[in-house]
Amino acid sequence: NAGVTQTPKFQVLKTGQSMTLQCAQDMNHNSMYWYRQDPGMGLRLIYYSASEGTTDKGEVPNGYNVSRLNKREFSLRLESAAPSQTSVYFCASSEDAGSFYGYTFGSGTRLTVV
Amino acid sequence: AQSVTQPDIHITVSEGASLELRCNYSYGATPYLFWYVQSPGQGLQLLLKYFSGDTLVQGIKGFEAEFKRSQSSFNQMKPSVHWSDAAEYFCAVGANQAGTALIFGKGTTLSVSS
Repeated sequence: NAGVTQTPKFQVLKTGQSMTLQCAQDMNHNSMYWYRQDPGMGLRLIYYSASEGTTDKGEVPNGYNVSRLNKREFSLRLESAAPSQTSVYFCASSEDAGSFYGYTFGSGTRLTVV
Repeated sequence: AQSVTQPDIHITVSEGASLELRCNYSYGATPYLFWYVQSPGQGLQLLLKYFSGDTLVQGIKGFEAEFKRSQSSFNQMKPSVHWSDAAEYFCAVGANQAGTALIFGKGTTLSVSS
């Protein structure tokens, strides 16, 4: 009964380094999302994938890329990390993209860029 | 585009007292509305949701929320707060439209005093 699994849980990067945050869900959900959480800012949508094979930009996509590898997996890549990308990143999934069902969230990845 | 406002950044309530968390939304049609809770270091857990019908909805952990279209609000209540309710609470709004994603408020931090 894993739900949404994110790896890694913690990461420290140097400015300019790249990395990929991994997310996998085992609920056979069609839609997946990446949010970032910053103090006082709530959760802001980075990218989402309404269904396998599609991705769309959210509110704060700059500096990120995503890949919907298959129905289960949705990865977030930082090509050249910047201190402004220090944040907690949450992956979520839902049965469908019409927002009807609410989301299941992973436990987050805490990323620090120095 | 939809948006959501949580007017209170931080609330302190005595244990056993009643609680109301405020949420205002902006959306042209009937929205989907959600309340999530986040304990420190954890992901978000769905508390309750509103789609249509009865304006008072019941959630988990003794929480309920009331949808008021005339006020564009979806306030959450609990008659008696427990120390374990201390957490951050997020209101979210979704469009009744395929291919969209939830928009979250900035959150309200609840502290419970003994």
